[in-house]
Amino acid sequence: SQQGEEDPQALSIQEGENATMNCSYKTSINNLQWYRQNSGRGLVHLILIRSNEREKHSGRLRVTLDTSKKSSSLLITASRAADTASYFCATEPIGQNFVFGPGTRLSVLP
Amino acid sequence: ETGVTQTPRHLVMGMTNKKSLKCEQHLGHNAMYWYKQSAKKPLELMFVYSLEERVENNSVPSRFSPECPNSSHLFLHLHTLQPEDSALYLCASSQVWQPGSGANVLTFGAGSRLTVL
Repeated sequence: SQQGEEDPQALSIQEGENATMNCSYKTSINNLQWYRQNSGRGLVHLILIRSNEREKHSGRLRVTLDTSKKSSSLLITASRAADTASYFCATEPIGQNFVFGPGTRLSVLP
Repeated sequence: ETGVTQTPRHLVMGMTNKKSLKCEQHLGHNAMYWYKQSAKKPLELMFVYSLEERVENNSVPSRFSPECPNSSHLFLHLHTLQPEDSALYLCASSQVWQPGSGANVLTFGAGSRLTVL
């Protein structure tokens, strides 16, 4: 399996609900980042969490990192239709380039 | 606009054609990247340039030829492609290239959607 792997592959929720996506990875990392991609567009950086951090917030986003379990989660609170996109975690193993997971496709229904 | 501009946005080419994808960044970044994004597959890193020098070439077939004439511009020259090369090609830049350091945040362009007939 891959270094970074998101779960679930697809998620469909109603507007106003919270969305939680998870990312698991295999090797030691310096940091983990989350990116968003709207359909057919480039990726946009959302948040970076370092290996010595456990939780980070940015607006409606909350990211957690558990290095002992090699996992991270992205929580989007009070979701909006505009949050519909694919979300990718990107890990940066020590001494290596970014490794992206296959992504979670989030659909927020109005 | 993110500060990374890719042209063309869409390209259809035959297997015998020669075409180029262009990427330009106005962020003063020193590293530029080419990624390939195929349906239902993770992003694949193709090439990395740091200060105009190629520092990564991830076993990419020679029918893809990158060029970085200066730190603001990056090209991907395409020649004798196969239908399986159809994908979204994404250019990205970062302030520096320090793999694994935790210092890099990638800024992506909108991508060039390539279809090979």
